[in-house]
Amino acid sequence: DQQVKQNSPSLSVQEGRISILNCDYTNSMFDYFLWYKKYPAEGPTFLISISSIKDKNEDGRFTVFLNKSAKHLSLHIVPSQPGDSAVYFCAASRVKTGANNLFFGTGTRLTVIP
Amino acid sequence: DTAVSQTPKYLVTQMGNDKSIKCEQNLGHDTMYWYKQDSKKFLKIMFSYNNKELIINETVPNRFSPKSPDKAHLNLHINSLELGDSAVYFCASSHRGLAGGQETQYFGPGTRLLVL
Repeated sequence: DQQVKQNSPSLSVQEGRISILNCDYTNSMFDYFLWYKKYPAEGPTFLISISSIKDKNEDGRFTVFLNKSAKHLSLHIVPSQPGDSAVYFCAASRVKTGANNLFFGTGTRLTVIP
Repeated sequence: DTAVSQTPKYLVTQMGNDKSIKCEQNLGHDTMYWYKQDSKKFLKIMFSYNNKELIINETVPNRFSPKSPDKAHLNLHINSLELGDSAVYFCASSHRGLAGGQETQYFGPGTRLLVL
């Protein structure tokens, strides 16, 4: 009963090109979505987030798009850099309930090839 | 200084033992969490504590008990360890999110537990 899904376990992209990581969710009560980045032997690090009242949020090279009707969000990284190589986790929460716990996907391993 | 730290980083133990994992945060946050990442890389919330009060308790076995001596610490105690407890356990912290606002959670480096 995984409520947040990342169906691509891995993605390889050439340096300088765009990386697109996808995430789907099943719970329509989710109203806040986040992307975390994780290097080996480290904890997840917050990258970017988006509220359900928006459909796009941009921060430098990172842009998150939200399609509520499709229950789908994506993370775009452009241009991709070798240092972006990591595992990216999508997460969702139900902020309006007052709860702050995050529901995570299983991650997508991004490899940026120099 | 590390914002969220966990000890030990690695823990190898026998089935049936009792063990604790410690977590400390120096960010002044008032909410702390424990997550478990299993062999399938699924990261799942276990507990959260706010002002020494358990506010989330997902369906985890009662062999797992969080202990918070103060706002900066949330330790995880596990009794009668089982093979299935082998996983990576992550501690996290944040300010308490008000309804309508999500507070960013900051994670520790993880504790890799292996039960033999």
